Amino acid sequence: DAGVIQSPRHEVTEMGQEVTLRCKPISGHDYLFWYRQTMMRGLELLIYFNNNVPIDDSGMPEDRFSAKMPNASFSTLKIQPSEPRDSAVYFCASSGQGLNSPLHFGNGTRLTVT
Amino acid sequence: ILNVEQSPQSLHVQEGDSTNFTCSFPSSNFYALHWYRWETAKSPEALFVMTLNGDEKKKGRISATLNTKEGYSYLYIKGSQPEDSATYLCAFLAGNMLTFGGGTRLMVKP
Repeated sequence: DAGVIQSPRHEVTEMGQEVTLRCKPISGHDYLFWYRQTMMRGLELLIYFNNNVPIDDSGMPEDRFSAKMPNASFSTLKIQPSEPRDSAVYFCASSGQGLNSPLHFGNGTRLTVT
Repeated sequence: ILNVEQSPQSLHVQEGDSTNFTCSFPSSNFYALHWYRWETAKSPEALFVMTLNGDEKKKGRISATLNTKEGYSYLYIKGSQPEDSATYLCAFLAGNMLTFGGGTRLMVKP
């Protein structure tokens, strides 16, 4: 298995632009997570899905952030409009049997908003 | 917000030293405790998921113990090697929330 695949690896955009991050989970995994890593807050959970349904989005910072999972093999995290404080590394992870099983992380997308 | 604390924040050891660090978490509503190893410029990789009080897990030179009643887990590395240099993260599962600690950054000098 190729593991969790994220794209792009790096994204540089200007403030106010729309940014879309993409994730392909491991085939057969029912859970998908979006995390954000910053120096100040470490790894923080933004949202997670179970069987394509959002279960907990309490970590989504504000209405500028949205996430979708239209099918079992694809998820997007969108920021519109982007702001410099959104600059961070965004990780997607999947797991096969819920939160009692280990998370498999993608390589992350490093977002820079200027 | 659940309080998951790891100590120390960073640690320097010599090659061959054995070391350990701590993850502290709330002792109520415990479901599971995860440990991950995170090398610079890579993504976190799972080491262990522990669910029972008194659990001990081992993977090569790395082992972990769990005390859910007092709310802590220890990660041990025996005979540290330079390739063990990484940040070690724990994550506490309560209900449907998995909360990560801030990590312990380990640097092993050859």
